[in-house]
Amino acid sequence: GENVEQHPSTLSVQEGDSAVIKCTYSDSASNYFPWYKQELGKGPQLIIDIRSNVGEKKDQRIAVTLNKTAKHFSLHITETQPEDSAVYFCAARSTDTGGFKTIFGAGTRLFVKA
Amino acid sequence: NAGVMQNPRHLVRRRGQEARLRCSPMKGHSHVYWYRQLPEEGLKFMVYLQKENIIDESGMPKERFSAEFPKEGPSILRIQQVVRGDSAAYFCASSPQDSSEAFFGQGTRLTVV
Repeated sequence: GENVEQHPSTLSVQEGDSAVIKCTYSDSASNYFPWYKQELGKGPQLIIDIRSNVGEKKDQRIAVTLNKTAKHFSLHITETQPEDSAVYFCAARSTDTGGFKTIFGAGTRLFVKA
Repeated sequence: NAGVMQNPRHLVRRRGQEARLRCSPMKGHSHVYWYRQLPEEGLKFMVYLQKENIIDESGMPKERFSAEFPKEGPSILRIQQVVRGDSAAYFCASSPQDSSEAFFGQGTRLTVV
């Protein structure tokens, strides 16, 4: 069945450093890849997404890259700040079939040390 | 425009009781999705509903779990005869159409004692 693998499960960086989270997906029909940030006790919040017709997207300190051939996509956070500490989830979904079954990775717990 | 509203935020049930979780989607959104999150794990898809229709329930356990999204009122996820393994956070998300990004609620944390 469909699967999304996410690495690493835990990531600790110094404030100001960059953080990179990587995901791979199995369903070749996937064409939409959102990233969510979840803070303790809260629901996931969409922070950035990318569609299969682009290879890279950037929004201030956050960027995502997508390699459809290799079925890899990554989240890059530059100049990390303590408030970036949270759990980050990648996800993959196909929007072609008219359904909605987003498959999530297991999450990466990011710690940004001040 | 209020976000996705879920209630209650916390729910404690004894084994064998019923749990009812409610989700009011964002204004103008007609698509609702339910996810379950176990501690330290990702979100697992359960069911996708449009008004009065279940579109995809492939992630729902075959027994004890049901979901509805009536013409009027919130979407309801119902768990009958709860067991300890049902303890989890249940998240609802909504979107205006199935090709758009989904917005999540704050979740209902169910504890079965």
